[in-house]
Amino acid sequence: ELKVEQNPLFLSMQEGKNYTIYCNYSTTSDRLYWYRQDPGKSLESLFVLLSNGAVKQEGRLMASLDTKARLSTLHITAAVHDLSATYFCAVGRDSNYQLIWGAGTKLIIKP
Amino acid sequence: GAGVSQSPRYKVAKRGQDVALRCDPISGHVSLFWYQQALGQGPEFLTYFQNEAQLDKSGLPSDRFFAERPEGSVSTLKIQRTQQEDSAVYLCASSLVALNTEAFFGQGTRLTVV
Repeated sequence: ELKVEQNPLFLSMQEGKNYTIYCNYSTTSDRLYWYRQDPGKSLESLFVLLSNGAVKQEGRLMASLDTKARLSTLHITAAVHDLSATYFCAVGRDSNYQLIWGAGTKLIIKP
Repeated sequence: GAGVSQSPRYKVAKRGQDVALRCDPISGHVSLFWYQQALGQGPEFLTYFQNEAQLDKSGLPSDRFFAERPEGSVSTLKIQRTQQEDSAVYLCASSLVALNTEAFFGQGTRLTVV
């Protein structure tokens, strides 16, 4: 059974600092997604990672995938308040259409 | 429209009542997903459509849950005889093709069963 664990589940940090959110999954996966969710809003796609060693960057966010370690990271550089949100990773396999989601990391960035 | 639209945004149902939740996907998107999101949790898969075909309904929690997409565009998730444990946010997502592409989510319908 595919399980996805994120940590930390809650993170409070100061503006300007760097931090990393981790996403571990239990079995072989073909694709991994990162999403952002603001309170009361829909899920916004951030990154799609499809191969070992994939790295994608958008602004202050960078995501990477290590399929051998079954680990993805979402790195935040010089955090700003606007990045406050809940971040989810989701993992899927080509054998079916389902995505298995982590519980989410609630990120609060203080000015 | 430009994005995935869900209606209603909020629904309060009395226990035992039937409800219908609507999803308008992005025009031309082949794939449509329904997810259930409990408070403070990640979404959980309910069902998947490719055009009008329901290819996977393994996540539907009971036979009280039924989904359809008869013309391959708009989808409806119906819950019969609602129970308190059905209270959650129901999310719809669509994508251009089935796999390896990002899915676009609607804002969800928050269902509260009292």
